[in-house]
Amino acid sequence: SAVISQKPSRDICQRGTSLTIQCQVDSQVTMMFWYRQQPGQSLTLIATANQGSEATYESGFVIDKFPISRPNLTFSTLTVSNMSPEDSSIYLCSVETSGTFHNEQFFGPGTRLTVL
Amino acid sequence: AQSVTQLDSHVSVSEGTPVLLRCNYSSSYSPSLFWYVQHPNKGLQLLLKYTSAATLVKGINGFEAEFKKSETSFHLTKPSAHMSDAAEYFCVVTGGATNKLIFGTGTLLAVQP
Repeated sequence: SAVISQKPSRDICQRGTSLTIQCQVDSQVTMMFWYRQQPGQSLTLIATANQGSEATYESGFVIDKFPISRPNLTFSTLTVSNMSPEDSSIYLCSVETSGTFHNEQFFGPGTRLTVL
Repeated sequence: AQSVTQLDSHVSVSEGTPVLLRCNYSSSYSPSLFWYVQHPNKGLQLLLKYTSAATLVKGINGFEAEFKKSETSFHLTKPSAHMSDAAEYFCVVTGGATNKLIFGTGTLLAVQP
């Protein structure tokens, strides 16, 4: 299993500013993922972040808006840039690791972002 | 392409009665299917996973799901609901060249005393 922490747990931000969300894992993992959960909706994958390579973004998400860093095997950051109210969501990171279920994904508690 | 459809956005049951949360999937590959649970203000937790082994999968907290290829379904069941089961449940599919998870829209389970 993996224990994942995220900082901040929540924030309220002004339009036009940027917020960096941190994801810390208690073990080394190869694959980390960032998801967005808009109010009342399901999770959508933003990007996959592997250590030592550029993040791979899903359709509809671009690096200029959601730059990602992956400096080592236990840490990643997601920045939400030039925020607008439409960016108000819960942002979750997850990691893939071998566990009770082969190659299962473990999720962090999420960062609840409100943009005014 | 893969997708999942959760047929009910809300399900309400009485404590002690059976739970049925319905999920249908579509996949061009042999899929792996999951059920995750999200309690209020908490992270997602994996309940169970199907990966082409036994079609009846047992998970945590008394939940189980049956993979039915002929019906492209992966419904989640529990014989007797408990108040602590109240949460949102997501059916998820993955498969193919990547391990990308595709989430359903979720089913909110309410358990009445």
